Amino acid sequence: DAGVTQSPTHLIKTRGQQVTLRCSPKSGHDTVSWYQQALGQGPQFIFQYYEEEERQRGNFPDRFSGHQFPNYSSELNVNALLLGDSALYLCASSSSEADTQYFGPGTRLTVL
Amino acid sequence: EDQVTQSPEALRLQEGESSSLNCSYTVSGLRGLFWYRQDPGKGPEFLFTLYSAGEEKEKERLKATLTKKESFLHITAPKPEDSATYLCAVHHAPGYSSASKIIFGSGTRLSIRP
Repeated sequence: DAGVTQSPTHLIKTRGQQVTLRCSPKSGHDTVSWYQQALGQGPQFIFQYYEEEERQRGNFPDRFSGHQFPNYSSELNVNALLLGDSALYLCASSSSEADTQYFGPGTRLTVL
Repeated sequence: EDQVTQSPEALRLQEGESSSLNCSYTVSGLRGLFWYRQDPGKGPEFLFTLYSAGEEKEKERLKATLTKKESFLHITAPKPEDSATYLCAVHHAPGYSSASKIIFGSGTRLSIRP
């Protein structure tokens, strides 16, 4: 049983560019959440997708957007990258019938 | 303000030296409290979910407990492979019609010396 997968593993971008990160949830899960984790900090909630719609959103600007596909996989898009967007981006999946979230390995984004 | 605070920030123990990590929270409408283990550069690994005060869960050398205001992660006779950052997260719904939220603490960096 495959767990949560994310791609790419690492990414280097320059300020002002746009980036797309991808996530495939654990088998049987229909809900995907995205988090940003700065070095030495706990994950910060970006948003959650369920039934292809954004269900909740944290305190992140509109530069952060997402999408969920019919197969429950999801994308996180960040426009107009800033140096401060450098972080580990984590995807977590869960079932709509249970609230425990399982995390993927993350994508390390570096903005130069 | 909804808040999750973990202490200590860092803890260094000798192999075999038992201790406890603390997670205190000030939220309304608690739905559950989660503990995760995170190794450097990797995603958090799920350990436990606790739902109500008085609940306890165990896994190998780890035991998690929950009260109305805090949770403890007890580590008994730790080994060097238990070295990691331990994260606490709270799932809560502030009001009847409010969407639920998950808030993470900043974690406790645990180091076990052989």
